[in-house]
Parts: sequence; structure tokens; C-alpha cells
Amino acid sequence: GQQVMQIPQYQHVQEGEDFTTYCNSSTTLSNIQWYKQRPGGHPVFLIQLVKSGEVKKQKRLTFQFGEAKKNSSLHITATQTTDVGTYFCAGPLTGNQFYFGTGTSLTVIP
Amino acid sequence: DAGITQSPRHKVTETGTPVTLRCHQTENHRYMYWYRQDPGHGLRLIHYSYGVKDTDKGEVSDGYSVSRSKTEDFLLTLESATSSQTSVYFCATSGTGDTGELFFGEGSRLTVL
Repeated sequence: GQQVMQIPQYQHVQEGEDFTTYCNSSTTLSNIQWYKQRPGGHPVFLIQLVKSGEVKKQKRLTFQFGEAKKNSSLHITATQTTDVGTYFCAGPLTGNQFYFGTGTSLTVIP
Repeated sequence: DAGITQSPRHKVTETGTPVTLRCHQTENHRYMYWYRQDPGHGLRLIHYSYGVKDTDKGEVSDGYSVSRSKTEDFLLTLESATSSQTSVYFCATSGTGDTGELFFGEGSRLTVL
């Protein structure tokens, strides 16, 4: 079964509201990556987290890697319509096999 | 973006026919991956390659085979397509394996009737 899970599967927010997606792995990860896929597009790399407890920010986006390196989160402050898309986490579970989470589809209502 | 080209971009075929999807990259990346994307399942790894003629199975490899005879090309073959293989297929590459980002192609939409 799916070894990297994400919640929620869908999220609708009013523009300006915050958004968070959570990622959980069944095993410890050496690193975790986040990708964004716009509707009709392909996944695009956002960031990689490597250290336990690591927090990284990109403008309105905040990424966290859990202390046990089995979970991660992406938080968007004050969403904008340009944030629409599906957000995926991904991690190397076995060697170089990157397993992706189930994704969270974000809709932003103007 | 890395130079990753998938072909064909769209294909409609019938059950039982063979199908080959091609991924071509110009970045000289060592690692290449095939994923399928379906609603509710995200991206699932089919097969991956860690070098020329070096390939391994992913989580949903049944019904699929791959070949990599050159660094730049990674082929995904459905020997006998089934309706359950209707999906969007993405190729991805990485220069550094588990420590580097994945670069994705534009995707190939396959419909099996």
C-alpha cells in the first residue's frame, strides 16, 4: 500500500486564509522533498529538508521536517490564487526509489 | 527546467495492444523514473533506473517493463494494455539520486479502451 500519506486530500480556502498539508511516512526518511503541481501541469520541486526538526521558509511557505524524520508539513500563510494546485511530499524510502504522498489539492476561492 | 521530453503526449489504444512510452533527457542524469498519476493515489513509482541497463521495480510494476540502453532514453512498455492502465504517466530524472530533486517531463496521457 501507499507508504507516504498526506492529509487532507482536498482543501478549499478563501483567499487570504492559511493552508496546511501534512505528510506521514511509514519509515524514517533521509530527507523529504515537496513538489507543486499546477492543474494540467507536471510536478515542480519546491524544497528539500534533510535535518531532524528542520524548518525552512520560502516567502509565504513554511516547511517543517519532524524530529523523528517520519513526518513533514507545508504551511502557506495568506493564500493567493496563484497557490492553486496539488502539493506533494516525497521521500526516498528504499535506496533511490522516491515515493510520493497522495497529495493535497488546494483550491483558493477569490 | 531540465530537458525532458516524453512521447507520445497523448495516446488512445485498445485493450490487449502493446504500448511504449519514451522518455528522453538531455541533462546526462543518471537516475530516471516512471510514475503513474491517478486521482486519489498521487504519483506511484512504476520502475526506475540507476544507470544504463540498470533498472528496478517500483511499487506498481506489474504489467510494465522498462529498458534503458542509453543514458538519455528510458522506455516504458505495456506488453498488453488493460483499462486499469489508463492513466497519466510521468517520467522524472535526477542527477544525484536520493539527495537531489526530481525533474519531471510534461506527462503522457494514455487511454486504454
